[in-house]
Amino acid sequence: LAKTTQPISMDSYEGQEVNITCSHNNIATNDYITWYQQFPSQGPRFIIQGYKTKVTNEVASLFIPADRKSSTLSLPRVSLSDTAVYYCLVGGDRDDKIIFGKGTRLHILP
Amino acid sequence: EAGVAQSPRYKIIEKRQSVAFWCNPISGHATLYWYQQILGQGPKLLIQFQNNGVVDDSQLPKDRFSAERLKGVDSTLKIQPAKLEDSAVYLCASSSQDRHYGYTFGSGTRLTVV
Repeated sequence: LAKTTQPISMDSYEGQEVNITCSHNNIATNDYITWYQQFPSQGPRFIIQGYKTKVTNEVASLFIPADRKSSTLSLPRVSLSDTAVYYCLVGGDRDDKIIFGKGTRLHILP
Repeated sequence: EAGVAQSPRYKIIEKRQSVAFWCNPISGHATLYWYQQILGQGPKLLIQFQNNGVVDDSQLPKDRFSAERLKGVDSTLKIQPAKLEDSAVYLCASSSQDRHYGYTFGSGTRLTVV
């Protein structure tokens, strides 16, 4: 299972674009990259998943370079409610278990 | 679509007592997971079921923890006897065969062992 490294914490201001980068140097060919968001007293929530290049949904964008050794979660125009812990995970097979790291604590300031 | 249901929401017990948690996954999800999340850390996988069979329980402290998933639907996680270090949030998650939409987690059960 590929190990991921991401910043422990980040601060930003309302209305800004926030980019959280995750390193996964040992990512395997069949691994996907998935990001989860977790608010206090709740379970993690799926945000976005990608394999290569760029993926965008109504919540975020995920940028993956050609070598796939890193990925960047982009949150456009954040608000106070985006304050949460964000986890980057890699995994592939249907039976592959996902391993959570410590995540990135994002704090949005007014 | 209903989410993953867990109960109870909170539980306080004394050390050496037993406790059980219940999880009802999303209908049709064959894979079910139990995670333990200690304050300030990421969730740690305890056990993974595929239908009613165990796929991975390598991180489950089997001397005190047990889990079952009868009929491949609901699941229970039990701790007996509990220790102070078991204080954590216990999260249940489920996923369909198509992993491209990730896992769906319940809100968890917060256990405090005193």
